[in-house]
Amino acid sequence: SQQGEEDPQALSIQEGENATMNCSYKTSINNLQWYRQNSGRGLVHLILIRSNEREKHSGRLRVTLDTSKKSSSLLITASRAADTASYFCATDGANAGKSTFGDGTTLTVKP
Amino acid sequence: NAGVMQNPRHLVRRRGQEARLRCSPMKGHSHVYWYRQLPEEGLKFMVYLQKENIIDESGMPKERFSAEFPKEGPSILRIQQVVRGDSAAYFCASSRTQGDEQFFGPGTRLTVL
Repeated sequence: SQQGEEDPQALSIQEGENATMNCSYKTSINNLQWYRQNSGRGLVHLILIRSNEREKHSGRLRVTLDTSKKSSSLLITASRAADTASYFCATDGANAGKSTFGDGTTLTVKP
Repeated sequence: NAGVMQNPRHLVRRRGQEARLRCSPMKGHSHVYWYRQLPEEGLKFMVYLQKENIIDESGMPKERFSAEFPKEGPSILRIQQVVRGDSAAYFCASSRTQGDEQFFGPGTRLTVL
């Protein structure tokens, strides 16, 4: 398995429900970022969380990071149909410029 | 403040032709990254450049692919003698410093006929 694996691969929920996506990684990181990608479009940066942080919030988004378990979670509260997209986590290793992406979680929010 | 710009947005090439993809980073950003995305997959790192230097090209295929980021002008990803397997979306990202937040461009969708 590769660095930055998202779980589940696909998630379908009703509008108004919360959506939780998880990301696991293998090696030590400098930071971890979550992105959203609408079908056929570019990536939108959501949140960056550094290795010395445990939780960050941005609007309806909440990201946690557990470096001891090498995992992160993205919680979207009160989901909307417009949240339908693929969500990727990406890790930056220490002293490395590149980001390593997982294959993403496809979220479908039904109206 | 314009974001990362990529052009062209769509590029169609026949097998054996050359593809040139351009990326202009955000103002004030001197670090550029290229990624490739196949359908239904995540982004795969290709190369990381700083002005006039290739920092990490561990994700670049050894043949036919090259990248540059000259002192003046955009970063260029060049694919020579394209094959059908090169069909993908190619994304460029830029950051102010290494390890900083990366901002992505809209991508170039390459189709090889």
